[in-house]
Amino acid sequence: NAGVTQTPKFQVLKTGQSMTLQCAQDMNHEYMSWYRQDPGMGLRLIHYSVGAGITDQGEVPNGYNVSRSTTEDFPLRLLSAAPSQTSVYFCASSYGSGHLSPLHFGNGTRLTVT
Amino acid sequence: AQKVTQAQTEISVVEKEDVTLDCVYETRDTTYYLFWYKQPPSGELVFLIRRNSFDEQNEISGRYSWNFQKSTSSFNFTITASQVVDSAVYFCALSEIMNYGGSQGNLIFGKGTKLSVKP
Repeated sequence: NAGVTQTPKFQVLKTGQSMTLQCAQDMNHEYMSWYRQDPGMGLRLIHYSVGAGITDQGEVPNGYNVSRSTTEDFPLRLLSAAPSQTSVYFCASSYGSGHLSPLHFGNGTRLTVT
Repeated sequence: AQKVTQAQTEISVVEKEDVTLDCVYETRDTTYYLFWYKQPPSGELVFLIRRNSFDEQNEISGRYSWNFQKSTSSFNFTITASQVVDSAVYFCALSEIMNYGGSQGNLIFGKGTKLSVKP
């Protein structure tokens, strides 16, 4: 039972490069989200989706783009990487709404932008 | 606005000591949910407990217990007889409703408390 799968686990980018962080879940969860974790800042919500075709911004959306074409996948795109985007990124999903049910997290992607 | 404050950045205890992790929240919602998550050194995030605002009963699960007090807007987490395996970062989280009907929302996380349990 895979749960939430994130790829890659590690990534190094140069400033200005773009890339996509992949997230897939096999639990048929409607809700999916992306958080970033920075030292001393906790987890901050980037974008979220309540179902296929529906996405919305969280607390720190600038510099990121998302789409939700299927229930299973929720990729996060960095349009033009900046050193401030160096962080650990977590994808999460839940049954029903994201504020009522426990979130299932992926194992994270550690991104370094030089 | 929703806010979660975990004032203790780091706590260090010796094995078998009891330790309490504090969580204070602010919310505009009359109905809300509170959560605790654990992040061990391996990095994954693990769900521990969910509590809704109508249920103020304390909860105990083995060595873990949670004290929810609406009057002080707190949802504290106590580990009894701590063990080295309890070493982790612990996050408290609060629900944030995103639409009027309350059917959609997200979780707002505190900054976390790093617990180190030494043998």
